[in-house]
Amino acid sequence: KAGVTQTPRYLIKTRGQQVTLSCSPISGHRSVSWYQQTPGQGLQFLFEYFSETQRNKGNFPGRFSGRQFSNSRSEMNVSTLELGDSALYLCASSLTSGLYYEQYFGPGTRLTVT
Amino acid sequence: GQQLNQSPQSMFIQEGEDVSMNCTSSSIFNTWLWYKQDPGEGPVLLIALYKAGELTSNGRLTAQFGITRKDSFLNISASIPSDVGIYFCAGHDSNYQLIWGAGTKLIIKP
Repeated sequence: KAGVTQTPRYLIKTRGQQVTLSCSPISGHRSVSWYQQTPGQGLQFLFEYFSETQRNKGNFPGRFSGRQFSNSRSEMNVSTLELGDSALYLCASSLTSGLYYEQYFGPGTRLTVT
Repeated sequence: GQQLNQSPQSMFIQEGEDVSMNCTSSSIFNTWLWYKQDPGEGPVLLIALYKAGELTSNGRLTAQFGITRKDSFLNISASIPSDVGIYFCAGHDSNYQLIWGAGTKLIIKP
């Protein structure tokens, strides 16, 4: 069974630009969550999508947005990039949304903003 | 946002030693999860705990869901070089939000 895939793996952008990251969940998984990880930090939750609807949202500015398609693939968009947005962006999928469904992570997209 | 208190931040150990790390919260959690992250990769789930007092093993790893539901520990017995990495605890709080610790970095002394 293929794991969670994220594209691209690495990205360099300039401050002020926008970026779109993509995540394909494990086949059959309907929930996709996005996290931001900066060096020495734990994972900061961005948002969760389930059945094309945003279920939960973390404490990030409106520049961070996402969506989910009918095939459960998800994209995350960051507009007007800032230097502080440089991070590893991780996507995790689970069978469904809720307490008892374990999340499986992709390898992440390393975003560098210069 | 809310974060779990995970300790220690880092550990230097000799190969073959046992390792212990823990996670605490000021509020009750409904689940505790332990993940390991290797460099350049996403976290991988090691152990999931769903009931207070639950003790679960996965090979040389053992984790427990504290009886107060406010803490959890992870033990690794007889550490080997491939155990190096960052270990994260995570848990669902009373609002069913998944909260993460800042991680424990495990380093094997040469």
